[in-house]
Amino acid sequence: ELKVEQNPLFLSMQEGKNYTIYCNYSTTSDRLYWYRQDPGKSLESLFVLLSNGAVKQEGRLMASLDTKARLSTLHITAAVHDLSATYFCAVDASGTYKYIFGTGTRLKVLA
Amino acid sequence: NAGVTQTPKFQVLKTGQSMTLQCAQDMNHEYMSWYRQDPGMGLRLIHYSVGAGITDQGEVPNGYNVSRSTTEDFPLRLLSAAPSQTSVYFCASVRTGSYNEQFFGPGTRLTVL
Repeated sequence: ELKVEQNPLFLSMQEGKNYTIYCNYSTTSDRLYWYRQDPGKSLESLFVLLSNGAVKQEGRLMASLDTKARLSTLHITAAVHDLSATYFCAVDASGTYKYIFGTGTRLKVLA
Repeated sequence: NAGVTQTPKFQVLKTGQSMTLQCAQDMNHEYMSWYRQDPGMGLRLIHYSVGAGITDQGEVPNGYNVSRSTTEDFPLRLLSAAPSQTSVYFCASVRTGSYNEQFFGPGTRLTVL
């Protein structure tokens, strides 16, 4: 059974600081996704990672994938208040269209 | 393109009532899915469809029915609502290709009393 674990579940950080969110998954997957969700809103796609060693960056967010360790990280550089949101990772079980989500990390950036 | 649309946005039901949550997409995507989101549990897959006439169960299918008669529409039916089905429901469709990117609807917030 494919499982996805994220940590931490909650993260409160000061503006300007760096931090990393971790996403572990249990079995082989073809793709790793990161999403952002603002309160009361839908999910917004941030990154899709396909292969081992893949790294993608958008602004202050950088995502990476280690398929051998079944681990993805979302690194936040010099956090700003606008990054406050809940971040989810998800994987699709190989050969299927079944997407399994992590429980999410609620990020709060304090001014 | 309207993308993925869902109706209604909000709904309150009494225990035992039935209703249908509507989902439509205008991007000609074959794959569509339904999720529920509960606090602290992320999104859980209810049912999904890989094309018209083809549906399958996800992680939490009990109490829900789906059908897919057209590419555009993928309604979710609650047969006899229970308080445990109080949740936010999201519909999504997938643009297939290298990334298999999911597009989410705005969600339906359902309360069952």
